[in-house]
Amino acid sequence: NAGVTQTPKFQVLKTGQSMTLQCAQDMNHEYMSWYRQDPGMGLRLIHYSVGAGITDQGEVPNGYNVSRSTTEDFPLRLLSAAPSQTSVYFCASSYSTSGTAIRKQYFGPGTRLTVT
Amino acid sequence: AQTVTQSQPEMSVQEAETVTLSCTYDTSENNYYLFWYKQPPSRQMILVIRQEAYKQQNATENRFSVNFQKAAKSFSLKISDSQLGDTAMYFCAFKMGSQGNLIFGKGTKLSVKP
Repeated sequence: NAGVTQTPKFQVLKTGQSMTLQCAQDMNHEYMSWYRQDPGMGLRLIHYSVGAGITDQGEVPNGYNVSRSTTEDFPLRLLSAAPSQTSVYFCASSYSTSGTAIRKQYFGPGTRLTVT
Repeated sequence: AQTVTQSQPEMSVQEAETVTLSCTYDTSENNYYLFWYKQPPSRQMILVIRQEAYKQQNATENRFSVNFQKAAKSFSLKISDSQLGDTAMYFCAFKMGSQGNLIFGKGTKLSVKP
């Protein structure tokens, strides 16, 4: 298994440009999520999905869109990049669980995005 | 809303010694999970240890153990016999229920000195 993969690893955008950060997992995980990491802020949840066709907002969703047309892929779209979106972005996935079972969350390697 | 607080932005420890990282959280729920993640310079997030709130016994994974004090809402991480490879950012995280999302603290930067 490749685990969780993210592309690109690095990206520089100009203000106003749009782009899509790709995330894919080959573990048949139902749950996928996007976080951003800023210095001194920990990781903050942007959007998440509990299965194909289902997405929901996290703590900081503004300026981002997601879709989940397949179980494997969960792309994150920046509609009109702003300098405030300069950050490191992590995608994560896990099995969705019920009851008291807790499953490990797998993180991708991250994408460092700079918006000038 | 749930919050996670890590009050130590930076810590250092001598190689082979023991260090404890602090974490407190705030919730009114009874069914939740707590985690410690390690993030080395490579940026990869690595799960170190996890604890189910309904379990009284503290979790242990090799040199890593936790001190879970449910009434005090405290979840500290103890690293024994510290190694140079333990140098990293450490994040405490909270998850409400089995379906909830992870809520992270701001992290503690740990440096292990030779």
